[in-house]
Amino acid sequence: AQRVTQPEKLLSVFKGAPVELKCNYSYSGSPELFWYVQYSRQRLQLLLRHISRESIKGFTADLNKGETSFHLKKPFAQEEDSAMYYCALKESSNTGKLIFGQGTTLQVKP
Amino acid sequence: NAGVTQTPKFRILKIGQSMTLQCAQDMNHNYMYWYRQDPGMGLKLIYYSVGAGITDKGEVPNGYNVSRSTTEDFPLRLELAAPSQTSVYFCASSAIRGRSYEQYFGPGTRLTVT
Repeated sequence: AQRVTQPEKLLSVFKGAPVELKCNYSYSGSPELFWYVQYSRQRLQLLLRHISRESIKGFTADLNKGETSFHLKKPFAQEEDSAMYYCALKESSNTGKLIFGQGTTLQVKP
Repeated sequence: NAGVTQTPKFRILKIGQSMTLQCAQDMNHNYMYWYRQDPGMGLKLIYYSVGAGITDKGEVPNGYNVSRSTTEDFPLRLELAAPSQTSVYFCASSAIRGRSYEQYFGPGTRLTVT
C-alpha cells in the first residue's frame, strides 16, 4: 500500500534551533515526494520536491530510500517558519494524485 | 492569473440541505482535485478529474458529487449535508512541470453543518 506517515502532530522549537520534520513513506518503486506548507490563513503551497534537490527558505529534504524517509530540515528556525507542513507522495498512476501525511504543525517560539 | 479560486469562503448549512462548492482555475490545467482537511487527519481526496468530462472517486467520495463540463471549472456538490461533512474543502489543479507534477491549491471553503 502507498502511504505517508508524519509521526509528529506538533513540533515546538525556539528561534535559531535546528528543525527536523519527519516523514516516512511506503511505496514500491521510485517514489516522488513533496513538502507542502500552509501558513496561517493561507492556502497550501509547494515548498520543495525531492526531484529538484533544491533548498527553499533554508529548508532541505533528502530522500533516503533505505529508511523510506524524506525528512524536512532547517539548521536555524525562524518565527516566520511557523506553519503546518505536509509531506506528500505522488501515486503511481498518471493522474497526478498525491497522498498526504497527517501534517505537522511547526511552532517556532521567540 | 488568478490561479485556483474557490467560492464561498465560509458557509453554514443545516442538516439535510444541499450546496455546491465552486472551483475554477485559469491555468489550463487538465487535472483537478477536491480534498477535505480535518484536524489531525491531513488531506483526504474526495474526487478528481483528469480532463473535461472525466471524473473519478478518491478516498472519501460518499456524500459528494462532481462534474467537469469545462477545463476551467470543477464544482463539488453536497446533496444531503451531514455533520460529518463539517470540514475545510480545498480544490487543486495540476500540470506536469518538467518530470514532475505540481499541485496548485485554492484558498479553501470552511463548511459547518449543524
